[in-house]
Amino acid sequence: SQKIEQNSEALNIQEGKTATLTCNYTNYSPAYLQWYRQDPGRGPVFLLLIRENEKEKRKERLKVTFDTTLKQSLFHITASQPADSATYLCALKGGGFKTIFGAGTRLFVKA
Amino acid sequence: NAGVTQTPKFQVLKTGQSMTLQCAQDMNHEYMSWYRQDPGMGLRLIHYSVGAGITDQGEVPNGYNVSRSTTEDFPLRLLSAAPSQTSVYFCASSYRGTEGNEQYFGPGTRLTVT
Repeated sequence: SQKIEQNSEALNIQEGKTATLTCNYTNYSPAYLQWYRQDPGRGPVFLLLIRENEKEKRKERLKVTFDTTLKQSLFHITASQPADSATYLCALKGGGFKTIFGAGTRLFVKA
Repeated sequence: NAGVTQTPKFQVLKTGQSMTLQCAQDMNHEYMSWYRQDPGMGLRLIHYSVGAGITDQGEVPNGYNVSRSTTEDFPLRLLSAAPSQTSVYFCASSYRGTEGNEQYFGPGTRLTVT
C-alpha cells in the first residue's frame, strides 16, 4: 500500500541555521508533492508544491527538492527563526483527486 | 473572505449519540473534503465531494455520512458515535482549476467520544 514516511522525532535547531526535513514514500508515483505547515490547534496551511518533473522549487527562505528515483523530498528552511517552529506535513497527489498526507515532523527553532 | 469555517470547535459525545460537524467555505471551491487526524498518523480522508450533489468515500468512511447540497456547505454526520471516532476533524476545500489542487483547511473540530 502507499506509504509516506516523515521523521517522527522532533528536529531541534538553533536560530539562523538551516532546517532540513525529509519525506520518503513508497508504492506511489505522485504527480505533485506538497508541503504544509501546521501550528498547534490549527489546520494545515499550504506552503509549496513541486511537480514530478521538477527537481527543485524555492519560495523566499523555503526550498523543496524532489527526487522521483529515490522517492524522496527534502524541505529546507534557511536562516530559521523561532517563528518557524511548527509541524511540517508532506503530501502526495496523483493525477486524480485524492491527496495522501504524512504524519509530519515537528520543528523547534531555539533563539 | 472567511475561508473555511468549522463548527463546533470542541465536542464531547457519549457512545451511540449522533451529531453533525458543520463546514462552510466562501471561496467558491468545487472540491471539499473531510479528514481526521490522529496522533502519529497522517491526515486520513473520510469523504470528499467534487461538486454539489456529488460525494464519494475516502480511506476511512465507516460510521460517517456526508451530503453536499450547495457549493458552500459540506456537513459530516456521525451516525452513532464510538470511542474510535475520538479525533480531530478537518474540513478542506480546493479549487478545481489549480494545478496540484492545494487545499485550504478549516481550524478543526476536536471530538471526544466517551
